[in-house]
Amino acid sequence: DAKTTQPNSMESNEEEPVHLPCNHSTISGTDYIHWYRQLPSQGPEYVIHGLTSNVNNRMASLAIAEDRKSSTLILHRATLRDAAVYYCILRFISNFGNEKLTFGTGTRLTIIP
Amino acid sequence: DSGVTQTPKHLITATGQRVTLRCSPRSGDLSVYWYQQSLDQGLQFLIQYYNGEERAKGNILERFSAQQFPDLHSELNLSSLELGDSALYFCASSVKVAGGTDTQYFGPGTRLTVL
Repeated sequence: DAKTTQPNSMESNEEEPVHLPCNHSTISGTDYIHWYRQLPSQGPEYVIHGLTSNVNNRMASLAIAEDRKSSTLILHRATLRDAAVYYCILRFISNFGNEKLTFGTGTRLTIIP
Repeated sequence: DSGVTQTPKHLITATGQRVTLRCSPRSGDLSVYWYQQSLDQGLQFLIQYYNGEERAKGNILERFSAQQFPDLHSELNLSSLELGDSALYFCASSVKVAGGTDTQYFGPGTRLTVL
């Protein structure tokens, strides 16, 4: 699996936007960029994924660099509930479509009230 | 609530014993994955089943085995337990989405403590 690099930890104030970066310089053309998060004492939770274009959903936005070597997960207005470990994961496209997730160390996001 | 259920929530046992962890995937999901999360190793993939057949293996010890039944629920069997097997065990199920990628939905986990 191609490797991703994320900061170990970040802090943000409540109700402010949060930008979580991820570097993936060895990404291949067939790799999707996925983000999952793990809230304390819970299982990981899917957040968003994309291939080339920026993506938005009810939870977050994903901004993908033009060369695809980096991406940024954007939480538009952080709440205390967003405190979690965020994982950036590259997943290759396959005909089968269901493949294991390879988790790195992620970014531990702390929200300051 | 992800729709994936795991039982039991907590399990405390002794070294050398054998335990079975159970997972029920979301309705309609054919793939089941097992992951182990320990303090020093992070989240590690163990094994995947798809529609009853083993699909992929990760860092699963020979003392561990799994199976997926016709009703698609899965069981992870851990035997000859050691202290180092104490961890959170997560089950996930997935559905394929457009373009060949998928989204995995995780259960709440089973916390195993080996004394």
